[in-house]
Amino acid sequence: QSVLTQPPSVSGAPGQRVTISCTGSRANLGAGYDVHWYHQLPGTAPKLLMYGNSNRPSGVPDRFSGSKSGTSASLAITGLQPEDEGDYYCQSYDSSMSAWVFGGGTKLTVL
Amino acid sequence: QVQLQQSGPGLVKPSQTLSLTCAISGDSVSSNSAAWNWIRQSPSRGLEWLGRTYYRSKWYNDYTLSVKSRISINPDTPKNQFSLQLNSVTPDDTAVYYCARARGSGSPYYFDYWGQGTLVTVSS
Repeated sequence: QSVLTQPPSVSGAPGQRVTISCTGSRANLGAGYDVHWYHQLPGTAPKLLMYGNSNRPSGVPDRFSGSKSGTSASLAITGLQPEDEGDYYCQSYDSSMSAWVFGGGTKLTVL
Repeated sequence: QVQLQQSGPGLVKPSQTLSLTCAISGDSVSSNSAAWNWIRQSPSRGLEWLGRTYYRSKWYNDYTLSVKSRISINPDTPKNQFSLQLNSVTPDDTAVYYCARARGSGSPYYFDYWGQGTLVTVSS
């Protein structure tokens, strides 16, 4: 059971918009700690996709956007493309555990 | 461009010590603006942050509570690398282990560069 809760899977057709939620508690997102997002392809390391709730690293297209409010955060992907498939993870800090924590991951399928 | 290159055995016997090394290029393990982390991933635990080492006029370490009694993360400044040692391993420690860099040491804290990952299996 992950500290940050994500839906196990989401799907969408090419060109559509999908969102992935990340739900925490008052010990992490609700305490004001930032959320960050990663994208992982099979057999590879996670890759930073979004940091500080809504900031994209260089090279990440503006089809990806992030937001955070209270104990929840979300990642939105517009104009879905086949290369967007893979697993997405949210990450933050948890003060009750004194550790950086990840969500359980969401598998995105582009239909 | 920062690159992290991991090395170490992929098979460890139960009760023995897991040892991995992460060689850094494009940055310094002694950087005052980075922290060096170990993270593991398994089907049962998902992604789990294990600990970090960082330098701010002196060396600091932080470890997650679940492995705090068994873990050691150490810098090697001449070789510009850092290592992970996890003692008294059990099959539950079987996972893909990653080293990763984080910018800064406080908030926001995220992992911007990752090693390639090492599958470590604990089995006799």
